[in-house]
Amino acid sequence: KNEVEQSPQNLTAQEGEFITINCSYSVGISALHWLQQHPGGGIVSLFMLSSGKKKHGRLIATINIQEKHSSLHITASHPRDSAVYICAAYGGSQGNLIFGKGTKLSVKP
Amino acid sequence: DADVTQTPRNRITKTGKRIMLECSQTKGHDRMYWYRQDPGLGLRLIYYSFDVKDINKGEISDGYSVSRQAQAKFSLSLESAIPNQTALYFCATSDTRGGETQYFGPGTRLLVL
Repeated sequence: KNEVEQSPQNLTAQEGEFITINCSYSVGISALHWLQQHPGGGIVSLFMLSSGKKKHGRLIATINIQEKHSSLHITASHPRDSAVYICAAYGGSQGNLIFGKGTKLSVKP
Repeated sequence: DADVTQTPRNRITKTGKRIMLECSQTKGHDRMYWYRQDPGLGLRLIYYSFDVKDINKGEISDGYSVSRQAQAKFSLSLESAIPNQTALYFCATSDTRGGETQYFGPGTRLLVL
């Protein structure tokens, strides 16, 4: 079983829809990261959070430490949000990031 | 200019050849990482370095070696490439003072025939 599990693996939405991507982890962590991988392959960090909630534009990330669960929400989705979203937990046995397999999001106009 | 650069961006090689992938950063970060990404498997850590004199194996280090030539440079070598090393390779950096937000290079697509 992977230490970091994401769901769904694939998600198709219509422009304007509210989107939720989920991440569950089984390791003790000090931080949870959300990353975005563009269709061209580049990876950027969206959020790093250890508690509560963070918001950046239309993106919101939440974490529940007790339940070992995090969610990434996208409000008013747009085709340019189409990408792979990756959850990563920091603080595993090697003290490095442990990555989920990613959620591929496609937003149709 | 990009803060984390990788060369080459694309490489095709043959089984048994030695390959070096290079990573440079201008962010002044202490920590550098090499990952590989395979379809359906996500990112996996190959090697990481917390400073010039500190190099550690990651989850999948077999068949790879690294060199940290300077704080800004971290190279990954495949001593004798094999087809199952065909993958997308990423270098990343992070700053010990700023938590563990990692900054990724653009990636190198490697095809081993």
